[in-house]
Amino acid sequence: QQPVQSPQAVILREGEDAVINCSSSKALYSVHWYRQKHGEAPVFLMILLKGGEQKGHEKISASFNEKKQQSSLYLTASQLSYSGTYFCGTEEGESGGADGLTFGKGTHLIIQP
Amino acid sequence: DADVTQTPRNRITKTGKRIMLECSQTKGHDRMYWYRQDPGLGLRLIYYSFDVKDINKGEISDGYSVSRQAQAKFSLSLESAIPNQTALYFCATSLAGVATGELFFGEGSRLTVL
Repeated sequence: QQPVQSPQAVILREGEDAVINCSSSKALYSVHWYRQKHGEAPVFLMILLKGGEQKGHEKISASFNEKKQQSSLYLTASQLSYSGTYFCGTEEGESGGADGLTFGKGTHLIIQP
Repeated sequence: DADVTQTPRNRITKTGKRIMLECSQTKGHDRMYWYRQDPGLGLRLIYYSFDVKDINKGEISDGYSVSRQAQAKFSLSLESAIPNQTALYFCATSLAGVATGELFFGEGSRLTVL
């Protein structure tokens, strides 16, 4: 089942913070985050496995609340290079690795100078 | 050179024609995937393969078929193309593991069916 992302789009000034959410009605094993710039392929950001872990990648971090089947991506002090479309991809159930990822519809992030 | 290569990068064809999109990879990954991207709909899984003898349907496999000719090659075919198959198609690879690992995407194949 396709996860739901919110917001659909967000416009920020450089230096502002953003939060992108991903939720599912199904129990999740893992949540993956990708960023896609216009005209390019999606690029991996991070994976979060069941267990409620939080990960960081420079000024981009994420959390995974398995009880709520939700993940959030946090972009701190956004830079112009953060502009793009962010996708979450999920694996459902008690284990992963058996199927491909199911992606959300994406969140468009525009960073203005 | 790209680790995951898709050909052709752009193709315009007519309704009813047979089309093949090819994907080859030099990453040595066992797992390969075909995704379709439409504006506002995200990436949707068409087929995936965990090795040469293992082919699985994704959520939107109708109208498509695949062939895993070797570990490094995974082709997507449209037997009789129709206009609503106009989309951007991505091939991706990943390592095997207890969870789906990082997906490495090709540059995409843009298909237009008239």
